Amino acid sequence: GAVVSQHPSRVICKSGTSVKIECRSLDFQATTMFWYRQFPKQSLMLMATSNEGSKATYEQGVEKDKFLINHASLTLSTLTVTSAHPEDSSFYICSAKEGGREQYFGPGTRLTVT
Amino acid sequence: GDSVTQMEGPVTLSEEAFLTINCTYTATGYPSLFWYVQYPGEGLQLLLKATKADDKGSNKGFEATYRKETTSFHLEKGSVQVSDSAVYFCALRDVTGYSTLTFGKGTMLLVSP
Repeated sequence: GAVVSQHPSRVICKSGTSVKIECRSLDFQATTMFWYRQFPKQSLMLMATSNEGSKATYEQGVEKDKFLINHASLTLSTLTVTSAHPEDSSFYICSAKEGGREQYFGPGTRLTVT
Repeated sequence: GDSVTQMEGPVTLSEEAFLTINCTYTATGYPSLFWYVQYPGEGLQLLLKATKADDKGSNKGFEATYRKETTSFHLEKGSVQVSDSAVYFCALRDVTGYSTLTFGKGTMLLVSP
């Protein structure tokens, strides 16, 4: 089956620093990738949608300059949380799909900002 | 806007008990409906789906029927196992969206031997 990986699985950073999270499709070409954020006991909230080679489309209320998304290849998308603050601490999940097929989800990255 | 409401957890059951996790939705048009499962430390996996009214999705003993009249997609399993312990998410994909999914909050299922 289709596999999506994320790295790192957990990261702790200091307030004011930036952190990059990688999302890779291992055995298919991810023409579209999605980034979600999940708070404890909350739904997955879609942050942005990115198509390979294009700028990401951000959901309302998501700061583009805060959450930088790059989808430079058909197997890799990155989410960079810039100038992180404690309120950015959350569980970030990516998903990917090829063409009109179903989305496949990564295992998530737990970000803790101290 | 679209929304999905599912029952609060955790749901605690003994092995071989009957499972129901309720899910209702609000959407324009005729969305596709999904159940995803998230095992501890893993990503979300598609469990089953239904794309039109009265469709029944099924997988691994789980079933859910798309009920347009009640806007529901309840998940059921006749006999749960300890290995079914996980978080279950109900989701919809609106036909007007670009494959974006709207999720419920998730329901944790704990099955004891």
